[in-house]
Amino acid sequence: EDQVTQSPEALRLQEGESSSLNCSYTVSGLRGLFWYRQDPGKGPEFLFTLYSAGEEKEKERLKATLTKKESFLHITAPKPEDSATYLCAVRKGSQGNLIFGKGTKLSVKP
Amino acid sequence: EAGVTQFPSHSVIEKGQTVTLRCDPISGHDNLYWYRRVMGKEIKFLLHFVKESKQDESGMPNNRFLAERTGGTYSTLKVQPAELEDSGVYFCASSPRGIGYTFGSGTRLTVV
Repeated sequence: EDQVTQSPEALRLQEGESSSLNCSYTVSGLRGLFWYRQDPGKGPEFLFTLYSAGEEKEKERLKATLTKKESFLHITAPKPEDSATYLCAVRKGSQGNLIFGKGTKLSVKP
Repeated sequence: EAGVTQFPSHSVIEKGQTVTLRCDPISGHDNLYWYRRVMGKEIKFLLHFVKESKQDESGMPNNRFLAERTGGTYSTLKVQPAELEDSGVYFCASSPRGIGYTFGSGTRLTVV
């Protein structure tokens, strides 16, 4: 069964304390792994798409990496404004729909 | 460029009533998707339109849910009759080529 598992469910960091979020997946015919950020009351906001093992992408304090079984979202020197729920999703085959994980709720305290 | 617009943002209805959710995708985006997040669960796919045609409706929970996309523009999702387990946040997303997805802010549906 296709599955996306994110860990931890919640993460509390002090401002400046770097850490990583994990997304492991079991899906056949992967056609992209997506990271989204979601703020309360808002829809998911696109961050990155990764397509192949070994690929990395960066945006400000965020860096996403991909292996054959998992992806990491590294957060370097986070700020309080990075507090949000981070969602991982995989796109399977050519259908276009995404399979989401439950997300990691990140809180960054000043 | 205007984003994906959903309304209403919130809806509270009684069990057995009918509710219609609307999604206006980004202009020119042929692909339109509906997703739902039930409390405590992950966001799950409901269905996918390409222009006015249903490409994939494998995620629709049952025949109480009816989705339409008029002329390949806006889409509606009707729940009739609503049940308690239909409560959740319904998201719409659009994409020009079925690769990148822009989500709306969602409609929070509460069935009491």
